[in-house]
Amino acid sequence: AQSVTQLGSHVSVSEGALVLLRCNYSSSVPPYLFWYVQYPNQGLQLLLKYTSAATLVKGINGFEAEFKKSETSFHLTKPSAHMSDAAEYFCAVAGLYYGGSQGNLIFGKGTKLSVKP
Amino acid sequence: KAGVTQTPRYLIKTRGQQVTLSCSPISGHRSVSWYQQTPGQGLQFLFEYFSETQRNKGNFPGRFSGRQFSNSRSEMNVSTLELGDSALYLCASSPLVGGFYEQYFGPGTRLTVT
Repeated sequence: AQSVTQLGSHVSVSEGALVLLRCNYSSSVPPYLFWYVQYPNQGLQLLLKYTSAATLVKGINGFEAEFKKSETSFHLTKPSAHMSDAAEYFCAVAGLYYGGSQGNLIFGKGTKLSVKP
Repeated sequence: KAGVTQTPRYLIKTRGQQVTLSCSPISGHRSVSWYQQTPGQGLQFLFEYFSETQRNKGNFPGRFSGRQFSNSRSEMNVSTLELGDSALYLCASSPLVGGFYEQYFGPGTRLTVT
């Protein structure tokens, strides 16, 4: 079974500061991991994905995440925050078994990012 | 390619009524999943359809049902609506090709039950 824990329901940073959103996972099989962003009254947009090809994954809008198996973590970072980054961010793991996909994503509770001018 | 589309975007229903929501996946995607998003419970998986077959189901009562058509379009139905069914319902499609299991989401349908 898979699960995801996001540490911190709210994170506030100043514009130009480092963004760090934390995600830890649990998986009985090699995980496929994702970060999504949700702006108010919108659906989820895929930021980046880890599919075992490389441990450092670069995504859209300057975000990246590093897969650390020893720490079971997949934290999201961005060197310099912009006002437009204010949104809710969700970490997710694909529901998988050794036979393939279960057709679902298991999401964390989300982290709301605020960016102060 | 056009993204995932969902109709309607907003819906207001009365307790006890039923509702049908529609989802058109990205062209070529054969897997469609549905999620319910609420402030209290977050994002919860409802069910997934692949080639017109429900392959997986989340922990929701039987009032929640769905189906998928031969063109991969999907509908979900909620019967005997309850106040607690007020939520954003998200549809997602996935290529499920080559081991890529990412899902692409539509804008959602905001359901309000009064």
